[in-house]
Amino acid sequence: AQSVSQHNHHVILSEAASLELGCNYSYGGTVNLFWYVQYPGQHLQLLLKYFSGDPLVKGIKGFEAEFIKSKFSFNLRKPSVQWSDTAEYFCAVTGGSQGNLIFGKGTKLSVKP
Amino acid sequence: EAQVTQNPRYLITVTGKKLTVTCSQNMNHEYMSWYRQDPGLGLRQIYYSMNVEVTDKGDVPEGYKVSRKEKRNFPLILESPSPNQTSLYFCASRTPGTGLHEQYFGPGTRLTVT
Repeated sequence: AQSVSQHNHHVILSEAASLELGCNYSYGGTVNLFWYVQYPGQHLQLLLKYFSGDPLVKGIKGFEAEFIKSKFSFNLRKPSVQWSDTAEYFCAVTGGSQGNLIFGKGTKLSVKP
Repeated sequence: EAQVTQNPRYLITVTGKKLTVTCSQNMNHEYMSWYRQDPGLGLRQIYYSMNVEVTDKGDVPEGYKVSRKEKRNFPLILESPSPNQTSLYFCASRTPGTGLHEQYFGPGTRLTVT
């Protein structure tokens, strides 16, 4: 069965620090990969997605992610975080005939001003 | 505006009292899904629907029912709620296919069962 692992439960950074959130998935077939963000009290919004092509994907708000097939990873990065990036971040993968989303457990990011 | 709506947004109820959380989307999406979000567990899929009258269990379907009589609506039914169903619930929809399209999420329903 597919699964998604997010390595960090809670990350605390100061403004302007660089961010990397780890995500690994297990699935042998073709996958589509997503990062969603949930700001406090809000619903999930799509940050970026990877379907095929260039493994370095750029999303909204300066976020990017790199798909490394050999490592089954899709890590999220941002060179310089802002206080407004404080949120919970979810990695997700779809695969198989139904295309259901499988989510990781999420990583809470707290950015100190 | 393209959106997924849920009602109610907040609900406090007692054990055993049947309730329904409604979900509606205006994007003509075939695929709809329900998730529950619990601290430290992320989002887990409860049920999904590939189209009208086509529903299937997700990862945590116990204690829930769904129906899909119309394309735009996908209500979640708790026949006899229990405290372990206290959670934050999200409805989502997307176009069909093998997951190539992003899911659009509703604003969430926070349910407390006492």
